[in-house]
Amino acid sequence: GAGVSQSPSNKVTEKGKDVELRCDPISGHTALYWYRQSLGQGLEFLIYFQGNSAPDKSGLPSDRFSAERTGGSVSTLTIQRTQQEDSAVYLCASSPPREDTQYFGPGTRLTVL
Amino acid sequence: QKEVEQDPGPLSVPEGAIVSLNCTYSNSAFQYFMWYRQYSRKGPELLMYTYSSGNKEDGRFTAQVDKSSKYISLFIRDSQPSDSATYLCAMMRGGFKTIFGAGTRLFVKA
Repeated sequence: GAGVSQSPSNKVTEKGKDVELRCDPISGHTALYWYRQSLGQGLEFLIYFQGNSAPDKSGLPSDRFSAERTGGSVSTLTIQRTQQEDSAVYLCASSPPREDTQYFGPGTRLTVL
Repeated sequence: QKEVEQDPGPLSVPEGAIVSLNCTYSNSAFQYFMWYRQYSRKGPELLMYTYSSGNKEDGRFTAQVDKSSKYISLFIRDSQPSDSATYLCAMMRGGFKTIFGAGTRLFVKA
């Protein structure tokens, strides 16, 4: 079956612009995660959605970052007024109900010039 | 101090070697331990999932957890060039939040 998909695969933007990153989770998966992966830094948790519950936003690094999940499926991560330090790979993952296993998408590589 | 420490490598071994990858952690509340493999330009994929201390074997892969030492390992037997990737350890207390190591880059030379 189809895995987690993310778009775009690459995004180059100028400092100060807003960007939107999209994640399509596996059908039927109720949990959705966003992570940021910088070189040599591992995966940094950003935000977690579970069903219709309020998201856990405790990992968002600043108020320039926001995310929404529409209809319990597709999610969009928005970064406003991008900075060079936002350059990283943004990974999305989803999990089936009552499971911890996370299935990752291929990521969006964001470069802020 | 990071909650999870992992040597970034790179680690280079000849084909057929036994590979040992390790992580240490500081929080004794971690109960669930995972190893993910990440190929270049791809997302991580789960290799091994263990609960509490002990060993778990799956084909050429063995995961080992020593909670008393706060130390986890992944062993790869008969390593292949296709095993060349970055290996990330990860752990959870319970709930949803997963803490990942920085990853170790492994190169297996033919």
